[in-house]
Amino acid sequence: QKEVEQNSGPLSVPEGAIASLNCTYSDRGSQSFFWYRQYSGKSPELIMSIYSNGDKEDGRFTAQLNKASQYVSLLIRDSQPSDSATYLCAAIRDTGGFKTIFGAGTRLFVKA
Amino acid sequence: DAGVTQSPTHLIKTRGQQVTLRCSPISGHKSVSWYQQVLGQGPQFIFQYYEKEERGRGNFPDRFSARQFPNYSSELNVNALLLGDSALYLCASSPLNANEQYFGPGTRLTVT
Repeated sequence: QKEVEQNSGPLSVPEGAIASLNCTYSDRGSQSFFWYRQYSGKSPELIMSIYSNGDKEDGRFTAQLNKASQYVSLLIRDSQPSDSATYLCAAIRDTGGFKTIFGAGTRLFVKA
Repeated sequence: DAGVTQSPTHLIKTRGQQVTLRCSPISGHKSVSWYQQVLGQGPQFIFQYYEKEERGRGNFPDRFSARQFPNYSSELNVNALLLGDSALYLCASSPLNANEQYFGPGTRLTVT
């Protein structure tokens, strides 16, 4: 079992639709969770951070965390072709030694 | 404000050689992390340094080492290079007491 799992996709949605990206993690000691966007040939760009159960909204993005289910998600509303990228989920454990684990990423295509 | 900077941008080395990669964090950031990313995978955690101390280490062999300087810049050293070390090496910096990580553009290492 991978420590952070994501559906590799590709996930294809039409322009203006909601894109839903999911992530599960295995280490219950993980405390912080992040979503990054990575365009081909570029480095990851931080989109959202979430630390406590519930929803966190920032513009068109909403991150959701459920620690009991060890589940993190990212919703992108009004998807745009410029949102087409790979989305990486990351979990950080900061006790007993710092460790960041990334998922392999989900490729998102937004069709114009 | 300047983002995370890394040098060099690209590097070609021969098996068995040694390489040093450099990273300068965002001004005011005291934590630096190093990652290895191969095509189709998420970044793999190598090290994290905070205030010149190693806070975390990923599952990489002892051929990989790093250090952080008083100005919070960092170097990653890889000895006895193998073909499998060919990858994008990413540096990320974090502000004090926060785990949001901001990535530099990366160094593309090719081992022949």
